[in-house]
Amino acid sequence: EVQLVESGGGLVKPGGSLRLSCAASGSTFSNAWMNWVRQAPGKGLEWVGRIKSKTDGGTTDYAAPVKGRFTISRDDSKNTLYVQMNSLKTGDTAVYYCTTSKWLRGSFDYWGQGTLVTVSS
Amino acid sequence: SYVLTQPPSLSVAPGKTARITCGGNNIGGKSVHWYQQKPGQAPVLVVYEDSDRPSGIPERFSGSNSGNTATLTISRVEAGDEADYYCQVWDIITDHVFGTGTKVTVL
Repeated sequence: EVQLVESGGGLVKPGGSLRLSCAASGSTFSNAWMNWVRQAPGKGLEWVGRIKSKTDGGTTDYAAPVKGRFTISRDDSKNTLYVQMNSLKTGDTAVYYCTTSKWLRGSFDYWGQGTLVTVSS
Repeated sequence: SYVLTQPPSLSVAPGKTARITCGGNNIGGKSVHWYQQKPGQAPVLVVYEDSDRPSGIPERFSGSNSGNTATLTISRVEAGDEADYYCQVWDIITDHVFGTGTKVTVL
């Protein structure tokens, strides 16, 4: 079983930046496709983006609302996933979850507990 | 973009069956996953690839998918099943899409 722990959330002003981290336990991190999913207060789930495993190319894909502003990366030596969030907007306010998946059509198998990002002046 | 539509809410008595629908254009041709989210907690996968259950998920949870509707069925509903439920698919144009969510209330 994989355990995921997010960190780095907090209050940031519009236009500001923030980097979230997700620490994973277990030896399977390097083989996992990793995703960020967010949930605005009182709203539903929204996929943010993904990074494939290095063996599958290590490429990234993003949802339209964050493309060009968010950058997902991974450090397999530290079993850690990151998302660098720039040019933040009030609409980015949400709990951010990291999740694992096995392939493109696959489910999000494991989830972290989430970290809250609040974008407000 | 691809849209998944769920009823906003559903009420069911303990011991009865809850059926949560997820509507999408030709969703029967896609692989549907379902998540349960209790207040203040992260989502948990309860059904994947239309009808398979992860380890540890009770057999009371089952899924089906055909045509334009996928369905999550919870048999013999218990108080602990009260939660929000989301369907999810991958679409070649939109990438990952979540349904609008259904709040299940156990009476």
